[in-house]
Amino acid sequence: EPEVTQTPSHQVTQMGQEVILRCVPISNHLYFYWYRQILGQKVEFLVSFYNNEISEKSEIFDDQFSVERPDGSNFTLKIRSTKLEDSAMYFCASKVRTSGNYEQYFGPGTRLTVT
Amino acid sequence: DAKTTQPTSMDCAEGRAANLPCNHSTISGNEYVYWYRQIHSQGPQYIIHGLKNNETNEMASLIITEDRKSSTLILPHATLRDTAVYYCIAKAAGNKLTFGGGTRVLVKP
Repeated sequence: EPEVTQTPSHQVTQMGQEVILRCVPISNHLYFYWYRQILGQKVEFLVSFYNNEISEKSEIFDDQFSVERPDGSNFTLKIRSTKLEDSAMYFCASKVRTSGNYEQYFGPGTRLTVT
Repeated sequence: DAKTTQPTSMDCAEGRAANLPCNHSTISGNEYVYWYRQIHSQGPQYIIHGLKNNETNEMASLIITEDRKSSTLILPHATLRDTAVYYCIAKAAGNKLTFGGGTRVLVKP
């Protein structure tokens, strides 16, 4: 069964460094998402992406964050200058299309630790 | 998206049916009821969704009341691997998922 994959599974970085989290969505999916979950807290929406542009973003997704689909398979989340409070699990999700009622499929997550 | 209310936690016995309630009294006509679960910090996993009619798949059944103000997710034969946090989400098609606190389900042997 096709699945969403994410790399790395765990990333440790120092405060102020740039990180790129990578996701490979399911191949025929067209709509992509990033969510995050700080330890012990709820899963929070960050951004959705369709047709090579951001379709919606949350207040969390400020200028330090960016997303990109550099080729036909990868979907990346970049944090330019990490802060301690960016430590969280980051989940990528994809959906087959935007119109209609379709479920999102999530990857296993990347645990980001900022020291 | 409509607000949903779920119990914080519940236990169930292995092999028995687990019935997870959800209230969504302000749900609007175009909002679906989705259920996801999250097993110990893994990515959320889609279970089932419905609009008006009851739905069943290989994982679970979803019973939606006629007035659509509440629903119940049924895991027919709970196993230890069903221990997870279960999220009920009411949203229109195409919208992002907004997760609440969910119900922490512990399946006991």
